[in-house]
Amino acid sequence: AQTVTQSQPEMSVQEAETVTLSCTYDTSESDYYLFWYKQPPSRQMILVIRQEAYKQQNATENRFSVNFQKAAKSFSLKISDSQLGDAAMYFCAYRNRFNFGNEKLTFGTGTRLTIIP
Amino acid sequence: NAGVTQTPKFRILKIGQSMTLQCTQDMNHNYMYWYRQDPGMGLKLIYYSVGAGITDKGEVPNGYNVSRSTTEDFPLRLELAAPSQTSVYFCASTGGAKGNTIYFGEGSWLTVV
Repeated sequence: AQTVTQSQPEMSVQEAETVTLSCTYDTSESDYYLFWYKQPPSRQMILVIRQEAYKQQNATENRFSVNFQKAAKSFSLKISDSQLGDAAMYFCAYRNRFNFGNEKLTFGTGTRLTIIP
Repeated sequence: NAGVTQTPKFRILKIGQSMTLQCTQDMNHNYMYWYRQDPGMGLKLIYYSVGAGITDKGEVPNGYNVSRSTTEDFPLRLELAAPSQTSVYFCASTGGAKGNTIYFGEGSWLTVV
């Protein structure tokens, strides 16, 4: 079974600075997806960024980028130029790509990010 | 552009009551999921479905039942509600192998008293 670990329950960063959230995972599969979801106080789950395991290039979305290290099974999220609206819980998630019948999304326990004005 | 729609958004149940959380998606997705999120915790999978007529248990299925009679709908039934089922429930869906983005509903806040 796949597991996702987020070792930082809480993080804080000064506004306009850069912060990196850590995520590691365990799987025996070679082809899968990795995600970062943001959950603001409204509890809505918002997709931040997605990485396909077969792509070596790290995904980027504006101020958000990932450092995907497949051999190390590491998938960290970097937020540049942090803004007050970035304050939220951030969840790392894993999903098999072609394991039909087992297309579950497995979540980490989350990292609460606080932005300091 | 509705996406994934959950109802109700808020509900208070008494211990022993039953209810159904409704979930519907208009994206023709094969895969649908129910998660629960307890305060300060991550999401745990309750049940999932890979297509109409097919459902399977996730990590925490006890006390719940699901059905999938159509591609669009995936209701979650709570039988004999218990305080331990107080949580926020999320329905989600995704397409097949190429549809790798998972879309979430806005959540249903359930309190059992």
